[in-house]
Amino acid sequence: AQSVAQPEDQVNVAEGNPLTVKCTYSVSGNPYLFWYVQYPNRGLQFLLKYITGDNLVKGSYGFEAEFNKSQTSFHLKKPSALVSDSALYFCAVRPRNQAGTALIFGKGTTLSVSS
Amino acid sequence: ETGVTQSPTHLIKTRGQQVTLRCSSQSGHNTVSWYQQALGQGPQFIFQYYREEENGRGNFPPRFSGLQFPNYSSELNVNALELDDSALYLCASSLGSGGGYGYTFGSGTRLTVV
Repeated sequence: AQSVAQPEDQVNVAEGNPLTVKCTYSVSGNPYLFWYVQYPNRGLQFLLKYITGDNLVKGSYGFEAEFNKSQTSFHLKKPSALVSDSALYFCAVRPRNQAGTALIFGKGTTLSVSS
Repeated sequence: ETGVTQSPTHLIKTRGQQVTLRCSSQSGHNTVSWYQQALGQGPQFIFQYYREEENGRGNFPPRFSGLQFPNYSSELNVNALELDDSALYLCASSLGSGGGYGYTFGSGTRLTVV
């Protein structure tokens, strides 16, 4: 079965420190890869996506993600965390060239940034 | 350019009832997909509509059904509501059904079944 794993339920980091939120996937082929953020009682906001090209993808609010094909990973990173980055983060993949499918989500990682 | 709009934002229904949730897609998008997000979980794919036809479905029973209209807005209907249907329902629109252009999500409808 195709799946996305976010191994950490919660990541704690001090403001100003770098952060990493991990994501690995088990999906055939070369899927499209996405990161979304969710604030309490809100929908999902798009952060970034990998379609093709450079393995380092830059997105919104200073976030970036590194695609590693051999490890089937797509970790989210930010060089300097802000308290306002505290939220729930979802990694999602969309199998490429598979009609009738949509996004497969991980269970989410709560990021807590302390001041 | 407007984003994805969902209505209502919240509603409470009784077990056994039927509910209809609505979604207006982002301007120019012809594909709508629906997701169920239970508390503490990631969103789960329900189904997808492309140009008014269902072209993909997740592991949800037939009492979850939908429609897409000529203006690409969409409805999610759930019959015979069960307590476990309580969740945040998210609608996402996209350009094309292939996924490469990404997905824009609405703010969701919070459904509580009592």
